[in-house]
Amino acid sequence: ETGVTQTPRHLVMGMTNKKSLKCEQHLGHNAMYWYKQSAKKPLELMFVYNFKEQTENNSVPSRFSPECPNSSHLFLHLHTLQPEDSALYLCASRHPDGGMENTGELFFGEGSRLTVL
Amino acid sequence: GQNIDQPTEMTATEGAIVQINCTYQTSGFNGLFWYQQHAGEAPTFLSYNVLDGLEEKGRFSSFLSRSKGYSYLLLKELQMKDSASYLCAVIDSNYQLIWGAGTKLIIKP
Repeated sequence: ETGVTQTPRHLVMGMTNKKSLKCEQHLGHNAMYWYKQSAKKPLELMFVYNFKEQTENNSVPSRFSPECPNSSHLFLHLHTLQPEDSALYLCASRHPDGGMENTGELFFGEGSRLTVL
Repeated sequence: GQNIDQPTEMTATEGAIVQINCTYQTSGFNGLFWYQQHAGEAPTFLSYNVLDGLEEKGRFSSFLSRSKGYSYLLLKELQMKDSASYLCAVIDSNYQLIWGAGTKLIIKP
């Protein structure tokens, strides 16, 4: 249990569907992240939110739409995805300041395994 | 460009020692992380190095040489539960995390 919960754990959708991934963290962190993890590839940063404000959009296609209503919740809305979007989507949170009391490491959820047919 | 290199896969025997290497070429350096990820599970933090030298934490140790752009994760007294992927990540000068593709470690009895 990392303190970061993602739902659903598995999702299968067609290319015309609309679905959402949800992430919730109970760690009191102010930074939240979406990553894409594909087999044998490095983690790809998608979006970063600090204090509910999006601070990074890593050239992600508009068919992925993030939403951060508060510091504890993060959503990834999915619309007209492509088969190559099939991957594990990981949410993470972090205390943004690092500092002496922590190394600023990321705390990850278990991911949502997405399959686009 | 920025790059993190680590072996794709390694195999070791239960009870033995294994060293997983990570080399990096990044624009600046502000620390290096090692994470463990079991299949179907979240990556979990193992270690953080920002100064040269060895950090020991139980059966796991992590080493850093900033001048060589090199780190390794040393796992001793291997157990079957150590079968997992091990991810190396570097914080660059813009405080962005640059990730390696991970090393899948297979432990055999």
